[in-house]
Amino acid sequence: GAVVSQHPSRVICKSGTSVKIECRSLDFQATTMFWYRQFPKQSLMLMATSNEGSKATYEQGVEKDKFLINHASLTLSTLTVTSAHPEDSSFYICSARAVAPGWQYFGPGTRLLVL
Amino acid sequence: AQSVTQLGSHVSVSEGALVLLRCNYSSSVPPYLFWYVQYPNQGLQLLLKYTSAATLVKGINGFEAEFKKSETSFHLTKPSAHMSDAAEYFCAVSDRNNDMRFGAGTRLTVKP
Repeated sequence: GAVVSQHPSRVICKSGTSVKIECRSLDFQATTMFWYRQFPKQSLMLMATSNEGSKATYEQGVEKDKFLINHASLTLSTLTVTSAHPEDSSFYICSARAVAPGWQYFGPGTRLLVL
Repeated sequence: AQSVTQLGSHVSVSEGALVLLRCNYSSSVPPYLFWYVQYPNQGLQLLLKYTSAATLVKGINGFEAEFKKSETSFHLTKPSAHMSDAAEYFCAVSDRNNDMRFGAGTRLTVKP
C-alpha cells in the first residue's frame, strides 16, 4: 500500500516551453502533497506544499508563477514548470500524505532536462 | 524550526566493514526522524523511522539507528557493508505534521 507514482519519469524540453509533471497517490487519498527539487549531488529541497482544493504554499525563494501547482483531487497533484530554462533542469520528487499527522510517501521522481 | 546535519558528505568503507553514517538533529518539539536511501536516478526508499517508541530502530537491509536525545543524534549503522549498500543516504526530521526537512546527504562508497 501507499504507492505514489509520477509521470513522466523523464522529460526533455526546449527552453521557453512549459512542462507538466503529475503526481498520483494510487491506493490512498492524499489531502496534502509536497513537491521537492533535487539538484545533482544535493539534497531535496521543499518547493511547495499543496492541500486538496486550496492554493499551494510555496517555500521562500520559489516563484509561484513559474512553478504552478494544482491539487484538484485527492489523488492527483500537478506541477507545471512554465517557460522552462536550463537552470530549471533538476530532479523533481513529489510526496503524498493521507492525513496529518501521517507519513509522507515519496514518488519515484521526474528528471527534467531543459535544453 | 527543525533541521538535520549530516556529518560527512562522503563515507568510504570496505566490504564487510561497519557502516556508520552520522546525523544530528535540531527540533523544538519531540521529533520524528527518518533515514532514506537513494540509488542513482531513483526516488527515495525509506530505511527506517523513529516515532518516539523504541530508541533503537531496526530497518530494512540490516540497517539500524539509535535515537539519543542527550546527543540529539540519530546515527545509522550496519555491522557489515555490502557492495549493494553503495548509495546516497539522507537523514530527515519532521514535526507531528510530518513536514520534513532533509539533511545534505552522505554518499556511501563500498570498496571490494
